[in-house]
Amino acid sequence: DPKIIQKPKYLVAVTGSEKILICEQYLGHNAMYWYRQSAKKPLEFMFSYSYQKLMDNQTASSRFQPQSSKKNHLDLQITALKPDDSATYFCASSQEQYSAETLYFGSGTRLTVL
Amino acid sequence: DAKTTQPDSMESTEGETVHLPCSHATISGNEYIYWYRQVPLQGPEYVTHGLQQNTTNSMAFLAIASDRKSSTLILPHVSLRDAAVYHCILRVLNTGYQNFYFGKGTSLTVIP
Repeated sequence: DPKIIQKPKYLVAVTGSEKILICEQYLGHNAMYWYRQSAKKPLEFMFSYSYQKLMDNQTASSRFQPQSSKKNHLDLQITALKPDDSATYFCASSQEQYSAETLYFGSGTRLTVL
Repeated sequence: DAKTTQPDSMESTEGETVHLPCSHATISGNEYIYWYRQVPLQGPEYVTHGLQQNTTNSMAFLAIASDRKSSTLILPHVSLRDAAVYHCILRVLNTGYQNFYFGKGTSLTVIP
């Protein structure tokens, strides 16, 4: 069974709309992350959370807002969607963030903005 | 963050042993060397990591140079399932919060 669940797997949205990407991890980890990967580009770090607190934000746009309602949840709200936001968004987690911990990734949400 | 250099692509034939190189000339003493791999449409998967000593697990053997300025991920008897992009990443230990940053990696093609 997958330990990091991302929902939905595929998402199609229209320009200007708002979507929420869901991520739940069942590994008992304290740190969670969001990464983005556009077509044929390297994985791009977006956010990191540790114990439900934002630790690092490498996303220039405020249209991307992580939301952590529970320790094992880190959703990603994206507002005013643009075609350039089309990408696969990966959620990840690790036991802690401050040490050299191994990252575990979900299978991703593929977002297409028309 | 210290930088790593990897070839853009490599090719191998099924059953062969593959040596994936990574250069990290400016590595610091407290930086671990991590390897991840990513197949299309999936998130990266942990392969192995090490600090100074060579390491081995069910997936691969990591050979680390004595000066730590380079490392080689060795995949024995590759199969088609080993075709992926392999990332060599450095990560500092216990100096505040740290994140994994991925580069282009090495795209490994496995020929039947």
